[in-house]
Amino acid sequence: GAVVSQHPSRVICKSGTSVKIECRSLDFQATTMFWYRQFPKQSLMLMATSNEGSKATYEQGVEKDKFLINHASLTLSTLTVTSAHPEDSSFYICSARAGRGALNEQFFGPGTRLTVL
Amino acid sequence: AQSVTQLGSHVSVSEGALVLLRCNYSSSVPPYLFWYVQYPNQGLQLLLKYTTGATLVKGINGFEAEFKKSETSFHLTKPSAHMSDAAEYFCAVSSYMFSGGYNKLIFGAGTRLAVHP
Repeated sequence: GAVVSQHPSRVICKSGTSVKIECRSLDFQATTMFWYRQFPKQSLMLMATSNEGSKATYEQGVEKDKFLINHASLTLSTLTVTSAHPEDSSFYICSARAGRGALNEQFFGPGTRLTVL
Repeated sequence: AQSVTQLGSHVSVSEGALVLLRCNYSSSVPPYLFWYVQYPNQGLQLLLKYTTGATLVKGINGFEAEFKKSETSFHLTKPSAHMSDAAEYFCAVSSYMFSGGYNKLIFGAGTRLAVHP
């Protein structure tokens, strides 16, 4: 199957700093990329959807100025957590899809664990 | 609107026993249904999916699920559990209805499967 990578896999930062997480589709072109957040022992919550070359669409309640998403190419999307605080500590997972239809499978990255001290 | 309910946040079975993980959905349009597995600190892997056609779908690792429209259910089963099946399992729903050019996956809360000798 298709491979999606995330970098870094784990990051620890001080409160107030910004953290960038990269999501790459390694062997296919991702028309659409999704960013999810997962709290311990809970489900995945969709944060935003980005289509290559256009602005991301954020889910209700997600602060777009805090979670900056850039989908600059068909193989790379980045999530920047600006001025991170301890409550932003979570497991962030991206997924990538080659097309826009629901039949196009989402391939998930391995996740990035963010800890804000 | 769509939603997913997974009954039982924890399921424990003996090795070799039947695995049954329950999923019920709510959807105002014909649903696409998915089961994903997540191992610790990893992303999600697709086990199987239902879109149209045959209501009994077979997936990887010996898992299968049956779409029952009258019961709005999509339960996941495996005849004989293996120790390696211990993981978190997520049921998800989507549809062919476009919303902003993409189709979201709505996840259930997850069921943690434990397999003991």
